[in-house]
Amino acid sequence: DAGVTQSPTHLIKTRGQQVTLRCSPKSGHDTVSWYQQALGQGPQFIFQYYEEEERQRGNFPDRFSGHQFPNYSSELNVNALLLGDSALYLCASSEGQNYGYTFGSGTRLTVV
Amino acid sequence: GDSVTQMEGPVTLSEEAFLTINCTYTATGYPSLFWYVQYPGEGLQLLLKATKADDKGSNKGFEATYRKETTSFHLEKGSVQVSDSAVYFCAQYYMNRDDKIIFGKGTRLHILP
Repeated sequence: DAGVTQSPTHLIKTRGQQVTLRCSPKSGHDTVSWYQQALGQGPQFIFQYYEEEERQRGNFPDRFSGHQFPNYSSELNVNALLLGDSALYLCASSEGQNYGYTFGSGTRLTVV
Repeated sequence: GDSVTQMEGPVTLSEEAFLTINCTYTATGYPSLFWYVQYPGEGLQLLLKATKADDKGSNKGFEATYRKETTSFHLEKGSVQVSDSAVYFCAQYYMNRDDKIIFGKGTRLHILP
C-alpha cells in the first residue's frame, strides 16, 4: 500500500516564477494538509483540504493556493516566488478525524 | 495561542548513552502529543504519541509520558544507537477536530560511535 506520494522531489525556480507541487494521499485518506519546513525549523501549517474545499488555513499569504481533486489528490501553487519561499514542502494525509496523519517525503524547493 | 517548545540542539551523545529531549506545550484544551523523527533527506515519521494525560507513548525503545501538570512530553531512550541520529520534533494537535499540527523547532541528535 503506497503511502503519501509527492512530486517532484526537488526543483529550482527563479524569483517571480510560479510553481506547482503535487501530492497523492495514502489510499483511503480523504484529507490533505500542506506544511512548509524552512531550513532548521519545524514544519508550519499552510492549509488543509477536505471534500475539494479549503477547510483551514495558516498564516500564509494569498500567493499560496491549493486545490483538491475528486480522487483526493492535491496541488499546492505558489505565485511570485520569493527567495524566502525556499523550503521543504510536506504533504500529509489523513482519513478524517482521530486517525492521525501520514507524511510524504516532501518536495525541496529552491528559489534563486 | 497553542505552541510547542523543545530544547535547542544539536545534542551530541556517545552510543549507549541515555537520551532526554525536553518538550513543553501550551494549549487551550487537551491536545494529543506526538514525537516525529526526520532522517536526513526524508520526510517526517511518527515515532510515538499519547492522546491523554498520563498516557505513555513508546516505540523503538523511545518513551514519552503526557504530563498535564507540567505541560510536558519529554522524549527518553535508555541506550541510543548511531542509527538514532536524526532531527526530532515534538508536536501537538487535536485529533478529534482533525486539526492542524503545531510543531516545535526540532532538536538535532548526533550519536557518536
